[in-house]
Parts: sequence; structure tokens; C-alpha cells
Amino acid sequence: GAVVSQHPSWVICKSGTSVKIECRSLDFQATTMFWYRQFPKQSLMLMATSNEGSKATYEQGVEKDKFLINHASLTLSTLTVTSAHPEDSSFYICSAIPGRGSYEQYFGPGTRLTVT
Amino acid sequence: AQSVSQHNHHVILSEAASLELGCNYSYGGTVNLFWYVQYPGQHLQLLLKYFSGDPLVKGIKGFEAEFIKSKFSFNLRKPSVQWSDTAEYFCAVTNQGGKLIFGQGTELSVKP
Repeated sequence: GAVVSQHPSWVICKSGTSVKIECRSLDFQATTMFWYRQFPKQSLMLMATSNEGSKATYEQGVEKDKFLINHASLTLSTLTVTSAHPEDSSFYICSAIPGRGSYEQYFGPGTRLTVT
Repeated sequence: AQSVSQHNHHVILSEAASLELGCNYSYGGTVNLFWYVQYPGQHLQLLLKYFSGDPLVKGIKGFEAEFIKSKFSFNLRKPSVQWSDTAEYFCAVTNQGGKLIFGQGTELSVKP
């Protein structure tokens, strides 16, 4: 149980284009989802917290107009990287918490974004 | 601000050696503590977690961790490592807000 999927697993796009990454909780409802960014050989950095039906909360230094997050349902959150630049190339990972009051996050497999 | 510090960036061991990875956090309130593992090319997997109760926590694959509140530490241990334990290990802490703060990660290389 508690499986989280991400789509696509990898994507290559050109500078200036936008890319949407989906995060789905497959067998549970997730009131809260998180989006992380991981650079090679580095740790995960929290980008934003996504709550179903409300605006995402972004961490300091994360451009909310560049990284659009939508949590439209209890099983789906999307991250859209707008006007992508090569420096946006990274590994994007989402996680989800099943239900309120739980602190254990279940992680998706990640999406490798390469911007050329 | 909350932070998590992992002492070792890269640890190299031979098979059957004992492992201890250090993790310290800075937060004075109630915390929940986790160790995650990331095998090469794979996603994060939970090794073990501490919420409350017995400070010695046993996880999967023979790993355990001890929560020492007075030292703000949550070190990961395994008596005898295997080549298949080669991976990146992350310590993480969450407070009542639910946000996970990760340590820098420790790369473990086990020589067969």
C-alpha cells in the first residue's frame, strides 16, 4: 500500500517551454503532497507544500510563478515548470501523506528534467 | 531554523563490517525522525522511523537507529553490511508542521 507514482519519469525540453509533472497517490487519498528538488549527489530540497483545494505554500527562494503547483484532487498534484531554463534541469520528487495527522511521507520515483 | 546534519559524506566499508552513520538535528520541540535509503537509480525508501516510545528503533534489512534526545541525535547502525547496502542514506526530521527536513546524505560504498 501507499504507492505514489510520477509521470513522466524523464523529460527533455527546450529552453523557454513549459513542462508538467504529475504526482499521483495510487491507493490512498493525500490531503497533502510535497514537491522536492534533488541535484546530483545532493540532498532533497523542499520546494513547496501542496494542499488539496488550496494554494501551495512555497519555501523561501522558490519562485511560485515559475513552479506552478496545482493539487486539484485528493490523488493528484501537478508541478509545471514554466519557461524552463537549463538551470532548472534537476530531479523532481513528490511525496504524499495519507490522511491528516500522519507524518510519514511516501515518495514517488522522481522525474528527471533536462532542459536544453 | 530546523536543520539536520549528517557527519559523513562518504563512507567506504568492506562486507561484514559494522556501520554507524551519524545524524544530528537542531530543533527543541517534538520531532519525528526518519532514515531513508536511495539505491542507485531508485527512489527513496523508508528504512525506519521514530515517533515516540522505545528510542531504539528497528527497521528493514537489519538496520536500527537510536534516538538520544539529550544529544539531538538519531544514528543509524547495522552490525554487518552487505554489498547490496551500497546506497545513499538520508536522515530526516519533521516537526508538527509535517515538513521533512533532510540531511545532506551519506554515500555508503560497500566493497565485496
